[in-house]
Amino acid sequence: SAVISQKPSRDICQRGTSLTIQCQVDSQVTMMFWYRQQPGQSLTLIATANQGSEATYESGFVIDKFPISRPNLTFSTLTVSNMSPEDSSIYLCSVQKRAGGRGYNEQFFGPGTRLTVL
Amino acid sequence: AQSVSQHNHHVILSEAASLELGCNYSYGGTVNLFWYVQYPGQHLQLLLKYFSGDPLVKGIKGFEAEFIKSKFSFNLRKPSVQWSDTAEYFCAVRGNAGNMLTFGGGTRLMVKP
Repeated sequence: SAVISQKPSRDICQRGTSLTIQCQVDSQVTMMFWYRQQPGQSLTLIATANQGSEATYESGFVIDKFPISRPNLTFSTLTVSNMSPEDSSIYLCSVQKRAGGRGYNEQFFGPGTRLTVL
Repeated sequence: AQSVSQHNHHVILSEAASLELGCNYSYGGTVNLFWYVQYPGQHLQLLLKYFSGDPLVKGIKGFEAEFIKSKFSFNLRKPSVQWSDTAEYFCAVRGNAGNMLTFGGGTRLMVKP
């Protein structure tokens, strides 16, 4: 398995400011992802955090709004820039690891960062 | 593109009742299938998974799911629910050759004591 921690666990921010969320994994992983879970909704993939290169963003998400860093195989950050109330959400870090003898990939999730934008 | 549909958005059951949550997916190739659970105030946990082999998979806490390829379904079942099963349940699919996990809309289960 993988143990994932996120900081901060929650924050309340003012409109127009930015917040950087940190994700730390207890072991080296190739694939790291950032998801958003808006109130009452399911999880939506924001981007794949690539080590040593730019993140790969999903449709509807752009680097200027959600810059991502991945300096090594155990750490990543997601910044929510120029925030508005619509950005109020839970942001989750996720990693993939090989599991079992057959080499299938399992996906694990961090505890999430609950963001409220006023 | 892959997609996942969970038809039951809210389910209310009494303790000891049987549970079946529907999950249908759309994807043209071989898939990996997952059920995740999110208990109130906690983070997502993997309940069970299907990669290959026996289409009836057993997970934690007495849950099981059956992969029916012809129906593109992966329904979650439990013979007798408990109050502690109150949670939100998410079905997810990933193409066998890919990395992207696509989630269904979730089903909020409330079990009345």
